[in-house]
Amino acid sequence: DAKTTQPPSMDCAEGRAANLPCNHSTISGNEYVYWYRQIHSQGPQYIIHGLKNNETNEMASLIITEDRKSSTLILPHATLRDTAVYYCIVRVEADSWGKLQFGAGTQVVVTP
Amino acid sequence: EAQVTQNPRYLITVTGKKLTVTCSQNMNHEYMSWYRQDPGLGLRQIYYSMNVEVTDKGDVPEGYKVSRKEKRNFPLILESPSPNQTSLYFCASRMGHLYEQYFGPGTRLTVT
Repeated sequence: DAKTTQPPSMDCAEGRAANLPCNHSTISGNEYVYWYRQIHSQGPQYIIHGLKNNETNEMASLIITEDRKSSTLILPHATLRDTAVYYCIVRVEADSWGKLQFGAGTQVVVTP
Repeated sequence: EAQVTQNPRYLITVTGKKLTVTCSQNMNHEYMSWYRQDPGLGLRQIYYSMNVEVTDKGDVPEGYKVSRKEKRNFPLILESPSPNQTSLYFCASRMGHLYEQYFGPGTRLTVT
């Protein structure tokens, strides 16, 4: 699986959009970009994933660059409950036994 | 409510005293995994199971055992716990061809 690089931390004001970058310059054609988050010592929570098209769900939007070497997770209206560590993961979908390689992630702190 | 449950949530034990951490999911998922999370090391997979009676080692299986006698349950067994197994443990499940993993709330284990 390709390696990902994320900033170690970022702050965001409550009610504003949070844009979380992720670099995955060695991504291959069959690898998906996944985002999970972990709120202080709780179990990680799936957010969104995509291959090459932009994706949106009730939690967030995922923007993947045309060359697929980087992506951005957007939390449109950050709340205090969005304070968490956010993980960008790249993996092959055919990996059916489901191991996720979590890196260090980005610690996001949403402030009032 | 779809969920993964783990018990106990917190456990303090002594070296060498056998223990079992239970994991149960109510989503009829085929795939289940155990991870441990340690500061600076991220989440690492211990064991996984693709279905009943089908299990295999992850990245850090030493000192652990698992069993999958029923689809919903995937207990983690420490036959002779040691202090280096002090960690935060997560169970996760996933349907075979769907994308996200569902994680349990975690079990914080301390071995003295």
